[in-house]
Amino acid sequence: GQNIDQPTEMTATEGAIVQINCTYQTSGFNGLFWYQQHAGEAPTFLSYNVLDGLEEKGRFSSFLSRSKGYSYLLLKELQMKDSASYLCAVRDYISRRAGSYQLTFGKGTKLSVIP
Amino acid sequence: EAGVTQFPSHSVIEKGQTVTLRCDPISGHDNLYWYRRVMGKEIKFLLHFVKESKQDESGMPNNRFLAERTGGTYSTLKVQPAELEDSGVYFCASSQTQGYGYTFGSGTRLTVV
Repeated sequence: GQNIDQPTEMTATEGAIVQINCTYQTSGFNGLFWYQQHAGEAPTFLSYNVLDGLEEKGRFSSFLSRSKGYSYLLLKELQMKDSASYLCAVRDYISRRAGSYQLTFGKGTKLSVIP
Repeated sequence: EAGVTQFPSHSVIEKGQTVTLRCDPISGHDNLYWYRRVMGKEIKFLLHFVKESKQDESGMPNNRFLAERTGGTYSTLKVQPAELEDSGVYFCASSQTQGYGYTFGSGTRLTVV
């Protein structure tokens, strides 16, 4: 089966840096996604890692270590609007025979940015 | 371009009733996915369409759930009869490339009382 763990809640100060960790156990790993979700809204895509290393995109960076089953999302220069839930999701070959690449999600990390 | 649209945004029904959720994917996206989040749990996969065909329905919880995508455009997810444990947020997503580039809708919050 698949198992994805991430902290339930985190609090950080405006202007600071925060790192949200995600560990996963899955067979046939084929990519890891980070999504941002504000309450009542659609999850929106932040980043995608399939190879080891760091992917940087503006204030957001995501890191992957496949050997450790570990990823983190790094948010720099935090803004109040960054208060949201951050979802770690893994794509794998669960249904290779069916040809489907479903995403398996963690429960999400609720980030609160305070002044 | 318009995003993924889901209707209704909220639905409250009584146990035993029928509810139909609708998803309009981004135009041109052959891949359409349904996911569900029940209270306190993670978002879980329900099924995946490629055009009008069900590619993978391994996540459908039981035969009270019926998904269709006639014509390969919009999709419906019917729950009949609804049970209390069906309450949650139902998300639809679409993508042009299978397994990548998902765009999610805002979801339908279903409450069964």
